[in-house]
Amino acid sequence: ILNVEQSPQSLHVQEGDSTNFTCSFPSSNFYALHWYRWETAKSPEALFVMTLNGDEKKKGRISATLNTKEGYSYLYIKGSQPEDSATYLCALPPFGNEKLTFGTGTRLTIIP
Amino acid sequence: KAGVTQTPRYLIKTRGQQVTLSCSPISGHRSVSWYQQTPGQGLQFLFEYFSETQRNKGNFPGRFSGRQFSNSRSEMNVSTLELGDSALYLCASRLAPGTGELFFGEGSRLTVL
Repeated sequence: ILNVEQSPQSLHVQEGDSTNFTCSFPSSNFYALHWYRWETAKSPEALFVMTLNGDEKKKGRISATLNTKEGYSYLYIKGSQPEDSATYLCALPPFGNEKLTFGTGTRLTIIP
Repeated sequence: KAGVTQTPRYLIKTRGQQVTLSCSPISGHRSVSWYQQTPGQGLQFLFEYFSETQRNKGNFPGRFSGRQFSNSRSEMNVSTLELGDSALYLCASRLAPGTGELFFGEGSRLTVL
């Protein structure tokens, strides 16, 4: 069973501040890592799919890095805005398996 | 193009009944996955279908089943409902298994009384 851990579980950030959170996973047999954003009353939306060690991806104010050797990925949000309030999920497929195992997410609340 | 469509969006059933949920994937997507979300739990994988065949199955009892049709639409069925089956059921599609990001529907919220 693949163990995907996310920290912190929840986070309150002042509008305009930057923040980051972590997804940890077993470093052996890595295949790919997904980040999703899930806003309340909406469907989860893909942010990034990362496959290479050292990968860095960016979408607007949101970016992510990947370290497969030590088994973690960071998601960064620069200059948080109220619309960033959501649960951020990471997910990985076990090596040789196509299904995705999700972490329990980091619930981010932006305080105006 | 149209997104992933799930029906019904909300439903209430009683213990012992059965339920069928439907998912229409994005046009051209042939892989459909199902996930269960309960309070305090992450998204739990139920199963994935591709070309009408179940490719993977999660750790759920046999009461949970699914199928996929030739047009890639998928249904999942839960028989003999239990209170613990109350959850949000999400469907997601992608081109094929292992080919990148999932596109999710808005989910079917099942309440079992």
